[in-house]
Amino acid sequence: QVQLQQWGAGLVRPSETLSLTCAVDGGSFSANYWSWIRQAPGKGLEWIGHVKHWGDSFYNPSFKSRVTISEDRSKKQSSLKLTSVTAADTAVYFCARGNSSSYFFDSWGQGTLVTVSA
Amino acid sequence: SYVVTQPPSVSVAPGQTAKITCGGNNIEGKDVHWYQQKPGQAPVLVVYDVYVRPSGVTERFSGSCSGDTATLNITAVEAGDEADYYCQVWDIRTYHWVFGGGTKLTVL
Repeated sequence: QVQLQQWGAGLVRPSETLSLTCAVDGGSFSANYWSWIRQAPGKGLEWIGHVKHWGDSFYNPSFKSRVTISEDRSKKQSSLKLTSVTAADTAVYFCARGNSSSYFFDSWGQGTLVTVSA
Repeated sequence: SYVVTQPPSVSVAPGQTAKITCGGNNIEGKDVHWYQQKPGQAPVLVVYDVYVRPSGVTERFSGSCSGDTATLNITAVEAGDEADYYCQVWDIRTYHWVFGGGTKLTVL
């Protein structure tokens, strides 16, 4: 049973960089898509991007110029960096494992509330 | 990119069947997945590949798809089914994961 444990700063100042990390416990790291998804207060789920097991990353065009998702296979971790944040980036951020056969998310992290405020 | 549309809300009495729709252009050609999200929790996969239930998900949840509409059916609805439900597809042209806007299920 795979478990995803995520962490990172819960308060980020405007114009600075949001950074979160997700560690994978159990299951294969190399055969899946490692995604980040966010949910603004009272809103729906928004896919941010993913890194695939050979390192290729794909991003939602809404974030493309500000986002970097990377992996560290030796640590079985995925990381999200979002630059130049504003109050509109305030949200709960989830990491999730994307199944590489049928393209659904079968495991999720617990979520991290990130508030952008001075 | 591909867009999927859900009704914002669905209400149903206990014991009845809830039908939550997910609309998209020729969505029957795609694998549609459904998540349940309760307040303060991460989403949980309840149906994948249109109609397959993950291990541990009650048989009351089922899925179907035809034409431009996919449907999540919840039979014999219980108070504990009250949650937000999201459909999701994979856009193979852009390598993007696409979520519907979510449907809030209210059990009357």
